[in-house]
Amino acid sequence: NAGVTQTPKFRVLKTGQSMTLLCAQDMNHEYMYWYRQDPGMGLRLIHYSVGEGTTAKGEVPDGYNVSRLKKQNFLLGLESAAPSQTSVYFCASRGYSGQNTEAFFGQGTRLTVV
Amino acid sequence: AQSVAQPEDQVNVAEGNPLTVKCTYSVSGNPYLFWYVQYPNRGLQFLLKYITGDNLVKGSYGFEAEFNKSQTSFHLKKPSALVSDSALYFCAVRDNSGGYQKVTFGTGTKLQVIP
Repeated sequence: NAGVTQTPKFRVLKTGQSMTLLCAQDMNHEYMYWYRQDPGMGLRLIHYSVGEGTTAKGEVPDGYNVSRLKKQNFLLGLESAAPSQTSVYFCASRGYSGQNTEAFFGQGTRLTVV
Repeated sequence: AQSVAQPEDQVNVAEGNPLTVKCTYSVSGNPYLFWYVQYPNRGLQFLLKYITGDNLVKGSYGFEAEFNKSQTSFHLKKPSALVSDSALYFCAVRDNSGGYQKVTFGTGTKLQVIP
């Protein structure tokens, strides 16, 4: 029962470096999401995907890019990391059964940009 | 635009006492409402949801929530709190009137159950 798996779990980057966060789900879900969690701000949607080959911007997309080449994977990229991107990142997936299904979350990636 | 408000950053309750974590929402259409729980260093876990029907929804670990359309609220409740219920709780809403699959989360309420 892997569910939603995020790699890596922790990462420290220097300002200007790039990296990719990987999210993999084994539930054949259509929808996948990337959120960031910051103290006092809850979860904010960065990008999302409604199916393989599709992506769309969420609330806070600047500085991030995503790709969904395979249905089970959703990648989040930071091309040039900034200290403001220090956060905990969560991936989530959701199946399509009408519009009332709940999301399943990964365990998070704690990213520090110095 | 849809929004969720969790007015309390933290709720403290004694073990064995009833607990309530408050949530109010705003949507243009009919809401789908969710509660999630987050334990330290973990992802969010689904607790319960309201889609339609009975206003009182029962979920995991003895939690329940009451949907109140007139007050646009979806408060989380439990009759008797356990120390193990201490965690961060998020309310979330999705508007069912459009095709956009976005869920909006509240800022979270930290529940502290005191032994």
